[in-house]
Amino acid sequence: NAGVTQTPKFRILKIGQSMTLQCAQDMNHEYMSWYRQDPGMGLRLIHYSVGAGITDQGEVPNGYNVSRSTTEDFPLRLLSAAPSQTSVYFCASSYSRNSPLHFGNGTRLTVT
Amino acid sequence: AQKVTQAQTEISVVEKEDVTLDCVYETRDTTYYLFWYKQPPSGELVFLIRRNSFDEQNEISGRYSWNFQKSTSSFNFTITASQVVDSAVYFCALSEAYSGNTPLVFGKGTRLSVIA
Repeated sequence: NAGVTQTPKFRILKIGQSMTLQCAQDMNHEYMSWYRQDPGMGLRLIHYSVGAGITDQGEVPNGYNVSRSTTEDFPLRLLSAAPSQTSVYFCASSYSRNSPLHFGNGTRLTVT
Repeated sequence: AQKVTQAQTEISVVEKEDVTLDCVYETRDTTYYLFWYKQPPSGELVFLIRRNSFDEQNEISGRYSWNFQKSTSSFNFTITASQVVDSAVYFCALSEAYSGNTPLVFGKGTRLSVIA
């Protein structure tokens, strides 16, 4: 039972490069979300989805895009990496909006 | 909009001491859910508990207990007889049942260090 799988675990980007953080879940959850974790800031919501084809912005969406073409996958795209996007990124899924979140193991991204 | 405040940034205790982590929330909904998560040094996020706004009974699970008080908008977490393995960052979170679709909103976390 894989749960929520995030790839890669680590990545170093140069300023201006783009990349996609992959997230997949095998629990048939409708809700998926992306959070970033920065020291002293807790977990902040970037984007979320309530089902295939439906996405919405969270608290800190600028510089990121998402899509949800299938129930299983919810990739996060960095369009043009900036040092402010250095962070740990967590993907999560849940059965419903008020259900506990199942988190992936995180992606540590450094932009230099 | 919902908000979660964890005023304690860092707490340090000696092993076997009891420790309480505070969580204060704000919401306009009458139906909402409160959560606690643990993030050990290895980095993964581990779900501990979910309570709904209609259930104010205290919850106990082993050395862990939770005190939910609607009158003070608080959902505090107590670890009894703390152990080194309890060292982690603990997050409190809130979701509203009816206001939009936004998933959980998290507090900034409390880093607990238990010293042997």
